Amino acid sequence: GENVEQHPSTLSVQEGDSAVIKCTYSDSASNYFPWYKQELGKGPQLIIDIRSNVGEKKDQRIAVTLNKTAKHFSLHITETQPEDSAVYFCAATAANAGGTSYGKLTFGQGTILTVHP
Amino acid sequence: DGGITQSPKYLFRKEGQNVTLSCEQNLNHDAMYWYRQDPGQGLRLIYYSQIVNDFQKGDIAEGYSVSREKKESFPLTVTSAQKNPTAFYLCASSIVGGGETQYFGPGTRLLVL
Repeated sequence: GENVEQHPSTLSVQEGDSAVIKCTYSDSASNYFPWYKQELGKGPQLIIDIRSNVGEKKDQRIAVTLNKTAKHFSLHITETQPEDSAVYFCAATAANAGGTSYGKLTFGQGTILTVHP
Repeated sequence: DGGITQSPKYLFRKEGQNVTLSCEQNLNHDAMYWYRQDPGQGLRLIYYSQIVNDFQKGDIAEGYSVSREKKESFPLTVTSAQKNPTAFYLCASSIVGGGETQYFGPGTRLLVL
């Protein structure tokens, strides 16, 4: 099955700096890669996602890049703000692949991002 | 106001007791999921359902049971066979069960007395 590794486990930055979180995946059939932000005591919220037919996607201060050959994808947050402090999770799945992977997101272990004012 | 609701927010279980966590969605999503989250770990899939009256085991189904009698509802029962039930439980739903975007509820924290 799919295995997703996420690094770093903790990340501390100063307000205004950039933050980068990296994930690698093992299943070459994976083709959908969402990123979630989870605030303390709440459920994860989708912040951006990317499919394997594109290499990069941006949404304001957030961007995600995908390297299918190397099987890794990264989240980039620019101009960080204190409200960006949260736990971030990457995930991967083989969307519409059928079989046992159908409907199953595999999550990374999470990154605790702290943005200091 | 559309979304996923989970209740209760906190739940206490006595030893040997079965408890049921509620998950309801009004997004008209076909697929629903239950995840368990332990401190410092990612989300692990317990059960998922792609259609009413059908569900499949995830990675850690032992000690749990589910039902899917209605499209909007996917309750999770933590049975007495689950020896380490203390965790944060998250329910999610998606349009189809093929990896489309999953939307999460606010979670239920289960504690053992």
